[in-house]
Amino acid sequence: DSGVTQTPKHLITATGQRVTLRCSPRSGDLSVYWYQQSLDQGLQFLIQYYNGEERAKGNILERFSAQQFPDLHSELNLSSLELGDSALYFCASSVSSRGANTGELFFGEGSRLTVL
Amino acid sequence: QQPVQSPQAVILREGEDAVINCSSSKALYSVHWYRQKHGEAPVFLMILLKGGEQKGHEKISASFNEKKQQSSLYLTASQLSYSGTYFCGTGTGGGNKLTFGTGTQLKVEL
Repeated sequence: DSGVTQTPKHLITATGQRVTLRCSPRSGDLSVYWYQQSLDQGLQFLIQYYNGEERAKGNILERFSAQQFPDLHSELNLSSLELGDSALYFCASSVSSRGANTGELFFGEGSRLTVL
Repeated sequence: QQPVQSPQAVILREGEDAVINCSSSKALYSVHWYRQKHGEAPVFLMILLKGGEQKGHEKISASFNEKKQQSSLYLTASQLSYSGTYFCGTGTGGGNKLTFGTGTQLKVEL
C-alpha cells in the first residue's frame, strides 16, 4: 500500500460524457502528479501540482483539467470523452521540494476508465 | 521526448541475468527506475542522480552515464518475483516531473 488513494477504481461511461477522478496523496506529500497509461503509450505525464499550484504540464488535452485543493487532494476532470481516452489514470505523490528530481513517486492503484 | 528503452521484452530462466537500457536525447539530472506488475501500480526501485553513481538494491543495481544520457538496470540471478514491466523515468531538473520510457517487459520462468 503506497498510501495514495484513487477513486473510483473502475469507470465505464459513454462518449461525450464527463468524469472526475479523485486522488488523495500520502500524508505530508505536497506534490500530486497525474499520468495516463494506455496499452501503446506507456506512462504519459499529464500534469503536476505542488501545494495547490500548477507546477508542470505535460501532454494534457484541453478537454482535461485538474486542480489541487487546500487539503492537498486532487481531481482530474475529463470532458467530451472519446474512445481514445480509455486508459488507466494514475495519480502519484511525493514530498517535492522546489529542487531537482530526487524524490520517489508513490503511485496509487489507478482509475481504469472505459469509454464506450 | 520519451526516453527509449531496450530491449522491449525479455524472457529469462530463473537465475539468469538481464540488462535493461534507457537512453535519452536530453541532458539528464536524474534517472528513476520503477517496476510494474500486471494490474498493479508502478513501484519505485531506485534513483540515480547526476554524477554517475551506481546504486544497488539486493540483486538489482543500476548505473547512470550522464555524458551519454544513458542508464542501465542490472538484474542478477533473476527470481520469479522480478517479472513485470520495468520503466525508466528521466528528470531534467526542477520539480519531480518524470518522462517515462515505453517500458521493458520482463518474464522470469522456471
